[in-house]
Amino acid sequence: NAGVTQTPKFQVLKTGQSMTLQCAQDMNHNSMYWYRQDPGMGLRLIYYSASEGTTDKGEVPNGYNVSRLNKREFSLRLESAAPSQTSVYFCASSGWGGGQPQHFGDGTRLSIL
Amino acid sequence: TQLLEQSPQFLSIQEGENLTVYCNSSSVFSSLQWYRQEPGEGPVLLVTVVTGGEVKKLKRLTFQFGDARKDSSLHITAAQPGDTGLYLCAGARRNQGGKLIFGQGTELSVKP
Repeated sequence: NAGVTQTPKFQVLKTGQSMTLQCAQDMNHNSMYWYRQDPGMGLRLIYYSASEGTTDKGEVPNGYNVSRLNKREFSLRLESAAPSQTSVYFCASSGWGGGQPQHFGDGTRLSIL
Repeated sequence: TQLLEQSPQFLSIQEGENLTVYCNSSSVFSSLQWYRQEPGEGPVLLVTVVTGGEVKKLKRLTFQFGDARKDSSLHITAAQPGDTGLYLCAGARRNQGGKLIFGQGTELSVKP
């Protein structure tokens, strides 16, 4: 049982380049999330998808876009990468409803030069 | 503005010592979760507390939810090097679906 799978695991970009981070879950969860983790900041929500076909902004959405491709897959796109977007990005999924535990992937470590 | 304040942010102790991590807010949460994260991995859920005043134990770890559901604590008895990691609290609020608000995290190092 893979759980939540994120690709790639590492990526280095130049300022202005674009890329898409992929996330897939095999737990039949309705809700999916993208976070960024920076030292001393905990996890900050970028975008989330409560269910297939819906997406909403989180705390720090600027510079990002998302696509909920189907129930399994939720991608995060950086259209024009900036050094401030250097971070570790985590995808998570959960069942429907408040207080459900979130299951996380192992992260994508992204450096923007 | 950090809605959930965790303290301390860093903690380095010797094996066998006890420690407490605090998670405080001025907001009420419908439930609160604690996660543990190891280097190079995503956070993994340890426990969920739902009722004000609730206490849950997981081996040497004791979790408590404040009576007013605004704060929580994690107490570790006789810490072991295997307890080393980043501990994160996360609160769920009513009518927010599955969204969680995370604290900044407490980085714990237990030296043998």
